[in-house]
Amino acid sequence: QVQLVQSGAEVREPGASVKVSCKASGYTFISNYMHWVRQAPGQGLVWMGVIGPSDGTTAYAQNLQGRLTLTRDTSTSTFHMELSNLRSEDTAVYYCARDTSSADKSWWFDPWGQGTLVTVSS
Amino acid sequence: SSELTQDPAVSVALGQTVRITCQGDSLRAYYASWYQQKPGQAPVLVIYNKDNRPSGIPDRFSGSSSGNTASLTITGAQAEDEADYYCNSRDSSYNGWVFGGGTKLTVL
Repeated sequence: QVQLVQSGAEVREPGASVKVSCKASGYTFISNYMHWVRQAPGQGLVWMGVIGPSDGTTAYAQNLQGRLTLTRDTSTSTFHMELSNLRSEDTAVYYCARDTSSADKSWWFDPWGQGTLVTVSS
Repeated sequence: SSELTQDPAVSVALGQTVRITCQGDSLRAYYASWYQQKPGQAPVLVIYNKDNRPSGIPDRFSGSSSGNTASLTITGAQAEDEADYYCNSRDSSYNGWVFGGGTKLTVL
C-alpha cells in the first residue's frame, strides 16, 4: 500500500533552518507530485508548496518564497522540505501529501504522512 | 491568492443529516476535495473529484458543487464523524493550492 513516512520531531532556535524528510513507498515515485502542508497548534491546514518528482519543478506559497526549499532524491524515493530563517510562528506540524489530479480541474491529496512537529524556541 | 470560506463550527444530532459548505472564486474553475481530521491525527481524504469517495470511506459521505460553493454532506451522522473538516482546491489566481479555514463538526 502507498505509504509516506516522515522524519522525527525537531527543535530549532529562531534564525536556524530545519529539513524534514518524507519517504515514499508502494507506488511509482515519479508518477505523483508531492505537496507540503503545515498546521500550527490549534490552527487550520495551510498549503506550503509542491514538487514534481521527475524534474524537481517547484511551486511555493507566496508568503514562503525565499525561505522554503523543496527537493527530492529519486535514488531513495524521498522528498525533503527545508525551511530557513525560522521564527516562532513556524512552530507547527508539517505534513507531506501525495498529489493526484484529473483533467486539470481536480486535485486531491492522498495519502498523507504522519506529520513532523517542528518547534522553534530559544 | 484566493480564499476558501467555511463555517467555523457546525453541529448535528446523531443520525441526522448535515451539510458543510466551502465558498470561493476558485471553485468556479476547479473541484474541491475534502479532508477529515481527528485530534492528533493526519488528515484523511473523504471526497475527491467533486463527488467521489475513496475506498474505505462510508457512503454516508457525499460531495456536490454549484457555482462558487462546494458541499460535503453526511447523511446519518455517527459519533465517529465528529472531527474537523477542510476543503481544498487549486488556487485560480496563481500556481498554488488553498485550504478552507476548517469546520469543526460536533455530533450531539
